[in-house]
Amino acid sequence: ETGVTQSPTHLIKTRGQQVTLRCSSQSGHNTVSWYQQALGQGPQFIFQYYREEENGRGNFPPRFSGLQFPNYSSELNVNALELDDSALYLCASSSGRLIAGADTQYFGPGTRLTVL
Amino acid sequence: ELKVEQNPLFLSMQEGKNYTIYCNYSTTSDRLYWYRQDPGKSLESLFVLLSNGAVKQEGRLMASLDTKARLSTLHITAAVHDLSATYFCAVDSADYRDDKIIFGKGTRLHILP
Repeated sequence: ETGVTQSPTHLIKTRGQQVTLRCSSQSGHNTVSWYQQALGQGPQFIFQYYREEENGRGNFPPRFSGLQFPNYSSELNVNALELDDSALYLCASSSGRLIAGADTQYFGPGTRLTVL
Repeated sequence: ELKVEQNPLFLSMQEGKNYTIYCNYSTTSDRLYWYRQDPGKSLESLFVLLSNGAVKQEGRLMASLDTKARLSTLHITAAVHDLSATYFCAVDSADYRDDKIIFGKGTRLHILP
């Protein structure tokens, strides 16, 4: 069974650029959530996708957007990058929505984004 | 708005001692999760607590949930150095229309040999 994978591992961008981060869910999982974790902080919920539809969003501006594909892999897109966007971006998958009874989320290794 | 607070945020303790980490949350929910994060690593699921009075134990760690008090505890018994890590609790919003998981700021645990 393959776990959650993310790419790339590290990324350096400059202010104003756009970035796309990718996540492959654990086999059999149809729900993906994305989190931003600044250094020394807890993960901040960005949004969640279930069967290709967004069904929950945290306090992030519209320049943070996402997609989930039919194979349940997912992308996080961030436009007009700002210095404060520098963080570890974590993807987590689950076998369904947690609110509907899925057990827990399984996290990928993360993408470290640095914005200069 | 769902808020999750952990305390303490930092904890340095000697091996062999017992201690408890507290997690308070602000709205009605009966789904609470504990995770561990080692430096530079991702999050590892420790416990899933799904109902009032739930108690789960794994080795020297035991987690409990009191939904009426909106409180979960993570108890460490006879701490060992390998338990040094940051521990996060997270709560499900329990809202189908706005489904989200909110994390606490974490408790950085340092166990001295």
